Amino acid sequence: KQEVTQIPAALSVPEGENLVLNCSFTDSAIYNLQWFRQDPGKGLTSLLLIQSSQREQTSGRLNASLDKSSGRSTLYIAASQPGDSATYLCAGPRCARITQGGSEKLVFGKGTKLTVNP
Amino acid sequence: NAGVTQTPKFQVLKTGQSMTLQCAQDMNHNSMYWYRQDPGMGLRLIYYSASEGTTDKGEVPNGYNVSRLNKREFSLRLESAAPSQTSVYFCASTLGQTNQPQHFGDGTRLSIL
Repeated sequence: KQEVTQIPAALSVPEGENLVLNCSFTDSAIYNLQWFRQDPGKGLTSLLLIQSSQREQTSGRLNASLDKSSGRSTLYIAASQPGDSATYLCAGPRCARITQGGSEKLVFGKGTKLTVNP
Repeated sequence: NAGVTQTPKFQVLKTGQSMTLQCAQDMNHNSMYWYRQDPGMGLRLIYYSASEGTTDKGEVPNGYNVSRLNKREFSLRLESAAPSQTSVYFCASTLGQTNQPQHFGDGTRLSIL
């Protein structure tokens, strides 16, 4: 059974700092790993999806890596800004393969609440 | 560009009342999902629909029913609400193929007294 863990639960940094958010998972047969952002009172916004054939994905100041052998993924945020303040969640597939016509059930970590102070 | 739309945004119910949460997506996605988010528990899957005409249980289905009305709409029903169902409910959708991100609505905040 896939389990996803995110440590720390909360992180506070000064503006401009580079930071790394961590995500660990138990099933190394994972075929992708997704990172989401959640603002207060809002739904989740997909940031990056890393396929198992890839080692990392980049979008602007965000870079996500996936190391299946160690069961870890990291989200790197460069030059953090107050607007980056949000909760960041990672999620992996519950099953090692997609079943039932392509439906992908995800297991979520509990998230890291990031505060970037001006 | 509405994406995933959930209604209502807020609702207060009394124990024993029934209610249907509505979800619609305009992205021509095949798969749709209902999650609940509780403090300290994270997001948990209630039900999902891999494609129009199919539904299946997720991690915490007890006390809920769903209907995939058509490709666009996926509703979640509480037949007899209980205080333990106080939560924030999110609907999500995805194309239904491998390695496609899920898109979420803004949630329904439900309180049961």
